[in-house]
Amino acid sequence: EIVLTQSPTTMAASPGEKVTLTCRASSSVSYMHWYQQRSGASPKLWIYETSKLASGVPNRFSGSGSGTSYSLTINSMETEDAATYYCQQGSSYPNTFGAGTKLELK
Amino acid sequence: QVQLKESGPGLVQPSRTLSLTCTVSGFSLTSYGVSWVRQPPGKGLEWIAAIWSGGSTDYNSALKSRLSISRDTSKSQVLLKMNSLQTEDTAMYFCARSYYYSGEDYFDYWGQGVMVTVSS
Repeated sequence: EIVLTQSPTTMAASPGEKVTLTCRASSSVSYMHWYQQRSGASPKLWIYETSKLASGVPNRFSGSGSGTSYSLTINSMETEDAATYYCQQGSSYPNTFGAGTKLELK
Repeated sequence: QVQLKESGPGLVQPSRTLSLTCTVSGFSLTSYGVSWVRQPPGKGLEWIAAIWSGGSTDYNSALKSRLSISRDTSKSQVLLKMNSLQTEDTAMYFCARSYYYSGEDYFDYWGQGVMVTVSS
Protein backbone atom coordinates (compact mmCIF):
# COMPACT_ATOMS: atom_id res chain seq x y z
CA GLU A 1 0.00 0.00 0.00
CA ILE A 2 1.28 3.45 -0.91
CA VAL A 3 1.45 5.79 2.07
CA LEU A 4 0.88 9.49 1.46
CA THR A 5 2.45 11.95 3.89
CA GLN A 6 1.11 15.48 3.90
CA SER A 7 2.84 18.50 5.39
CA PRO A 8 2.30 20.59 7.26
CA THR A 9 -0.44 19.04 9.36
CA THR A 10 -1.86 22.45 10.18
CA MET A 11 -1.01 25.94 9.04
CA ALA A 12 -2.41 29.44 9.14
CA ALA A 13 -2.13 31.98 6.34
CA SER A 14 -3.05 35.64 6.04
CA PRO A 15 -5.23 36.96 3.20
CA GLY A 16 -3.05 37.53 0.16
CA GLU A 17 -0.31 35.16 1.36
CA LYS A 18 1.07 32.44 -0.91
CA VAL A 19 0.46 28.93 0.44
CA THR A 20 2.08 25.63 -0.52
CA LEU A 21 0.90 22.24 0.73
CA THR A 22 2.95 19.14 0.03
CA CYS A 23 2.20 15.45 -0.35
CA ARG A 24 4.89 12.79 -0.51
CA ALA A 25 4.24 9.23 -1.63
CA SER A 26 6.12 6.19 -0.31
CA SER A 27 6.44 4.94 -3.91
CA SER A 28 6.17 6.64 -7.26
CA VAL A 29 2.66 7.38 -8.52
CA SER A 30 1.47 8.58 -11.90
CA TYR A 31 -0.74 11.40 -10.65
CA MET A 32 -1.92 13.05 -7.47
CA HIS A 33 -5.45 14.24 -6.80
CA TRP A 34 -6.53 16.80 -4.19
CA TYR A 35 -9.79 17.31 -2.32
CA GLN A 36 -11.05 20.25 -0.31
CA GLN A 37 -13.22 19.57 2.71
CA ARG A 38 -14.80 22.41 4.62
CA SER A 39 -16.01 21.83 8.15
CA GLY A 40 -19.15 19.71 8.25
CA ALA A 41 -19.21 19.15 4.49
CA SER A 42 -18.28 16.29 2.19
CA PRO A 43 -14.98 16.38 0.30
CA LYS A 44 -14.90 18.01 -3.12
CA LEU A 45 -12.56 17.11 -5.94
CA TRP A 46 -10.29 20.15 -6.20
CA ILE A 47 -7.33 19.24 -8.39
CA TYR A 48 -7.09 16.07 -10.46
CA GLU A 49 -4.32 14.42 -12.43
CA THR A 50 -1.76 16.52 -10.57
CA SER A 51 -2.47 19.90 -12.16
CA LYS A 52 -6.00 20.10 -13.58
CA LEU A 53 -8.47 22.28 -11.69
CA ALA A 54 -11.91 20.79 -11.06
CA SER A 55 -14.92 22.71 -12.26
CA GLY A 56 -15.45 25.93 -10.34
CA VAL A 57 -12.04 25.97 -8.65
CA PRO A 58 -10.49 29.46 -8.73
CA ASN A 59 -7.35 29.83 -10.81
CA ARG A 60 -5.37 31.05 -7.80
CA PHE A 61 -5.01 27.31 -7.10
CA SER A 62 -2.45 25.20 -8.91
CA GLY A 63 -0.98 21.73 -8.59
CA SER A 64 2.36 20.30 -9.59
CA GLY A 65 4.75 17.44 -9.00
CA SER A 66 5.80 14.03 -10.21
CA GLY A 67 7.02 10.69 -8.93
CA THR A 68 6.85 10.84 -5.15
CA SER A 69 6.55 14.57 -4.53
CA TYR A 70 3.51 16.72 -5.21
CA SER A 71 2.20 20.09 -4.12
CA LEU A 72 -0.89 22.27 -4.10
CA THR A 73 -0.30 26.02 -4.20
CA ILE A 74 -2.62 28.92 -3.51
CA ASN A 75 -1.24 32.03 -5.17
CA SER A 76 -3.03 34.43 -2.85
CA MET A 77 -4.92 33.14 0.18
CA GLU A 78 -8.56 34.11 0.48
CA THR A 79 -11.01 33.63 3.36
CA GLU A 80 -12.97 30.94 1.56
CA ASP A 81 -9.84 28.79 1.15
CA ALA A 82 -9.78 27.87 4.83
CA ALA A 83 -10.43 24.11 4.82
CA THR A 84 -8.72 20.74 5.07
CA TYR A 85 -6.99 19.51 1.94
CA TYR A 86 -6.40 15.82 1.27
CA CYS A 87 -4.20 14.26 -1.38
CA GLN A 88 -5.13 10.89 -2.92
CA GLN A 89 -3.39 8.45 -5.26
CA GLY A 90 -5.30 6.15 -7.56
CA SER A 91 -2.42 4.68 -9.50
CA SER A 92 -1.83 1.70 -7.26
CA TYR A 93 -4.36 -0.51 -5.50
CA PRO A 94 -5.69 0.28 -2.99
CA ASN A 95 -6.58 3.94 -3.30
CA THR A 96 -5.02 5.84 -0.42
CA PHE A 97 -5.42 9.30 1.06
CA GLY A 98 -3.04 11.48 2.98
CA ALA A 99 -3.96 12.50 6.53
CA GLY A 100 -4.80 16.02 5.42
CA THR A 101 -3.53 19.56 5.91
CA LYS A 102 -5.80 21.89 7.84
CA LEU A 103 -5.43 25.40 6.44
CA GLU A 104 -6.68 28.18 8.68
CA LEU A 105 -7.04 31.90 8.18
CA LYS A 106 -4.64 34.02 10.18
CA GLN B 1 -26.83 16.69 -12.72
CA VAL B 2 -24.78 14.04 -10.95
CA GLN B 3 -25.98 13.27 -7.44
CA LEU B 4 -25.27 10.59 -4.88
CA LYS B 5 -27.19 10.13 -1.66
CA GLU B 6 -26.38 7.77 1.17
CA SER B 7 -28.95 6.22 3.48
CA GLY B 8 -28.78 3.86 6.40
CA PRO B 9 -29.26 3.50 10.15
CA GLY B 10 -27.64 6.12 12.33
CA LEU B 11 -27.03 3.75 15.21
CA VAL B 12 -25.89 0.14 15.09
CA GLN B 13 -25.11 -2.17 17.99
CA PRO B 14 -21.67 -3.75 18.28
CA SER B 15 -21.27 -7.08 16.48
CA ARG B 16 -24.25 -6.32 14.25
CA THR B 17 -24.28 -5.86 10.46
CA LEU B 18 -24.41 -2.44 8.84
CA SER B 19 -26.32 -1.97 5.58
CA LEU B 20 -25.87 1.26 3.63
CA THR B 21 -27.43 2.33 0.34
CA CYS B 22 -26.11 4.85 -2.15
CA THR B 23 -28.74 6.07 -4.61
CA VAL B 24 -27.31 7.81 -7.65
CA SER B 25 -28.77 9.99 -10.36
CA GLY B 26 -27.41 11.78 -13.39
CA PHE B 27 -25.23 8.85 -14.49
CA SER B 28 -25.42 5.12 -15.04
CA LEU B 29 -23.83 2.50 -12.80
CA THR B 30 -22.90 0.61 -15.96
CA SER B 31 -20.77 3.55 -17.08
CA TYR B 32 -19.07 4.57 -13.82
CA GLY B 33 -17.84 2.90 -10.69
CA VAL B 34 -18.90 3.86 -7.17
CA SER B 35 -16.77 3.70 -4.06
CA TRP B 36 -17.43 3.94 -0.36
CA VAL B 37 -15.12 6.11 1.74
CA ARG B 38 -15.40 6.62 5.48
CA GLN B 39 -14.18 9.27 7.90
CA PRO B 40 -14.09 8.72 11.68
CA PRO B 41 -14.91 11.84 13.70
CA GLY B 42 -12.04 14.33 13.51
CA LYS B 43 -9.93 12.02 11.35
CA GLY B 44 -9.01 11.49 7.72
CA LEU B 45 -10.49 9.62 4.78
CA GLU B 46 -10.30 5.86 4.27
CA TRP B 47 -11.32 4.08 1.06
CA ILE B 48 -13.43 1.02 1.87
CA ALA B 49 -14.72 -0.62 -1.31
CA ALA B 50 -15.58 -0.09 -4.95
CA ILE B 51 -17.87 -1.59 -7.52
CA TRP B 52 -16.86 -0.93 -11.10
CA SER B 53 -18.92 -0.29 -14.18
CA GLY B 54 -18.61 -3.91 -15.27
CA GLY B 55 -19.77 -5.17 -11.87
CA SER B 56 -16.40 -6.30 -10.51
CA THR B 57 -15.52 -5.32 -6.96
CA ASP B 58 -12.51 -4.30 -4.86
CA TYR B 59 -12.14 -4.06 -1.12
CA ASN B 60 -9.79 -2.51 1.41
CA SER B 61 -7.72 -5.51 2.43
CA ALA B 62 -7.91 -4.60 6.12
CA LEU B 63 -11.71 -4.80 6.03
CA LYS B 64 -12.26 -7.29 3.23
CA SER B 65 -13.44 -10.19 5.40
CA ARG B 66 -16.28 -8.05 6.77
CA LEU B 67 -17.43 -6.31 3.59
CA SER B 68 -19.77 -6.90 0.71
CA ILE B 69 -20.55 -4.39 -2.03
CA SER B 70 -23.23 -4.92 -4.68
CA ARG B 71 -25.51 -2.95 -6.92
CA ASP B 72 -29.03 -2.85 -8.31
CA THR B 73 -28.77 -1.10 -11.65
CA SER B 74 -32.55 -0.98 -12.10
CA LYS B 75 -32.78 1.15 -8.97
CA SER B 76 -29.47 3.01 -9.51
CA GLN B 77 -28.34 1.85 -6.10
CA VAL B 78 -25.07 0.60 -4.63
CA LEU B 79 -25.29 -1.42 -1.44
CA LEU B 80 -22.60 -1.84 1.20
CA LYS B 81 -22.76 -4.40 3.98
CA MET B 82 -20.26 -4.56 6.82
CA ASN B 83 -20.57 -7.23 9.50
CA SER B 84 -19.17 -7.64 13.01
CA LEU B 85 -19.29 -3.92 13.67
CA GLN B 86 -17.00 -2.46 16.33
CA THR B 87 -16.88 0.95 17.96
CA GLU B 88 -13.90 1.79 15.71
CA ASP B 89 -16.30 1.62 12.74
CA THR B 90 -18.08 4.75 13.99
CA ALA B 91 -17.66 7.20 11.12
CA MET B 92 -19.25 9.28 8.41
CA TYR B 93 -19.71 7.02 5.40
CA PHE B 94 -19.59 8.64 1.96
CA CYS B 95 -20.28 7.18 -1.43
CA ALA B 96 -18.43 8.73 -4.34
CA ARG B 97 -18.37 8.31 -8.07
CA SER B 98 -15.12 6.78 -9.26
CA TYR B 99 -13.67 8.29 -12.40
CA TYR B 100 -11.46 5.54 -13.77
CA TYR B 101 -9.33 6.07 -16.84
CA SER B 102 -6.23 4.31 -18.08
CA GLY B 103 -5.34 2.80 -14.72
CA GLU B 104 -5.99 5.94 -12.72
CA ASP B 105 -8.90 6.36 -10.29
CA TYR B 106 -10.22 9.36 -8.41
CA PHE B 107 -13.53 10.55 -6.99
CA ASP B 108 -15.24 13.33 -8.90
CA TYR B 109 -18.61 13.50 -7.14
CA TRP B 110 -19.45 12.77 -3.50
CA GLY B 111 -22.61 12.25 -1.53
CA GLN B 112 -23.41 14.21 1.61
CA GLY B 113 -22.53 11.25 3.81
CA VAL B 114 -24.36 9.30 6.49
CA MET B 115 -23.14 9.21 10.08
CA VAL B 116 -22.99 5.74 11.60
CA THR B 117 -22.47 5.31 15.33
CA VAL B 118 -21.64 1.89 16.75
CA SER B 119 -22.86 1.73 20.31
CA SER B 120 -24.94 -0.43 22.58
